[in-house]
Amino acid sequence: QVQLQESGPGLVKPSQTLSLTCTVSGGSISSGGYYWSWIRQHPGKGLEWIGNIYYTGSTYYNPSLKSRVSLSMDTSKNQFSLYLSSVTPADTAVFYCARAPFGCRDGTCRSKTFDYWGQGTLVTVSS
Amino acid sequence: QSALTQPASVSGSPGQSITISCTGTSSDVGSYNLVSWYQQHPGKAPKVMISEVSERPSGVSNRFSGSKSGNTASLTISGLQAEDEADYYCCSYAGSSTVVFGGGTKLTVL
Repeated sequence: QVQLQESGPGLVKPSQTLSLTCTVSGGSISSGGYYWSWIRQHPGKGLEWIGNIYYTGSTYYNPSLKSRVSLSMDTSKNQFSLYLSSVTPADTAVFYCARAPFGCRDGTCRSKTFDYWGQGTLVTVSS
Repeated sequence: QSALTQPASVSGSPGQSITISCTGTSSDVGSYNLVSWYQQHPGKAPKVMISEVSERPSGVSNRFSGSKSGNTASLTISGLQAEDEADYYCCSYAGSSTVVFGGGTKLTVL
């Protein structure tokens, strides 16, 4: 059974960089066929996809956040991380990490779903 | 990349059926059979209920079903139960390796 667990500071000051790590157990993040994803949910609001990373290092970002987001992966620790720069109070949200199986056809790979999720961690941006 | 459109709320009585719509565009829902649906109870992480338009993951009740027509996907819950009361989100592959979610629908079981 795959399990994901987010970790990181619960409070970040405005203009700083938010940094979160997702630790995966019950499966290897180096196994093919899965993107590893970050999704956030502003308080009382809907879900927003942030980005995906593949074990090869390929990354894919939400265009609306692309200029501030970076994803990385440490396969030796079975972890992947999110970095969101220049945060403001509007970035306050619950952040989830998730696994996204994908399929490829005609040379294009497309994520199908998010099948395993972490429990989520609340990050508040405030001075 | 705009969020998919869902009704803010739907309601139904126990035993009834309800349908939640999810409207996108020809760039996302209309172009790919890669729509998924998630159930989220308060304070909990989302749980996938339907993937690839109509596939039900192992362990999900067969009371949940999905479909798609054109740019609109739908989630139907039959035999409504109190435990179905939750927020529901649709999600679609949107091209260029991106994904987009719907705004969410609050289901109330009367």
